Amino acid sequence: SYVLTQPPSVSVAPGQTASISCGGNNIGRKSVHWYQQRPGQAPVLVVCDDTDRPSGIPERFSGSNFKNTATLIISRVEVGDEADYYCQVWDGPSAHWVFGGGTKLTVL
Amino acid sequence: QVQLAESGGGVVQPGRSLRLSCAASGFTFSAYAFHWLRQAPGRGLEWVAVISYDGTELHYADSVKGRFTFSRDNSKKTLYLQMNNLGIADTAVYYCARVRIDESTYDAFDVWGQGTMVTVSS
Repeated sequence: SYVLTQPPSVSVAPGQTASISCGGNNIGRKSVHWYQQRPGQAPVLVVCDDTDRPSGIPERFSGSNFKNTATLIISRVEVGDEADYYCQVWDGPSAHWVFGGGTKLTVL
Repeated sequence: QVQLAESGGGVVQPGRSLRLSCAASGFTFSAYAFHWLRQAPGRGLEWVAVISYDGTELHYADSVKGRFTFSRDNSKKTLYLQMNNLGIADTAVYYCARVRIDESTYDAFDVWGQGTMVTVSS
């Protein structure tokens, strides 16, 4: 089955840029979605189809996807961005929906 | 207001059954596909099952196939997850989520419920 690999943790200072990677075999050929989950809350979609932002999501959130790595980029990081972030794709051959293991973003 | 609300969670013994519900409001329920996802304590998100907008397409994760059944009642705007032969590994918060694009099964999950906790314990 298709596997997505994320770093367990990323740390960044307020005002800086955070990059969270999501690795997968030829992931550049798939549509990647990103979710933010704050402690005790349900996930929230922050980036869809590699680079699009749903309504209400700040422009500070963006994404890229090329070859074997997709990346969530958070510019001008705020304390409120501290959360777990998950990448997700649909794997057509298996008809399964797959999540990465999640990355805990810590704002120092 | 677009909302999903899960219910039916609780504590159940191994081998027993439980049925979860997910009530929708604020949008045209029959036009959307839905998923169930779960999150074990301290763990990441896991996809469980999907049902298409018209109910003709169903897929399950290997870990629940043959034990869980996903259904929908458009007249009640409600989803159901029948869970049989539950095991310790099924202990998790269960979320229902809507697919972002109407009549699509494969897009992102744009609306999530608050989740309902299922604990399987003897």
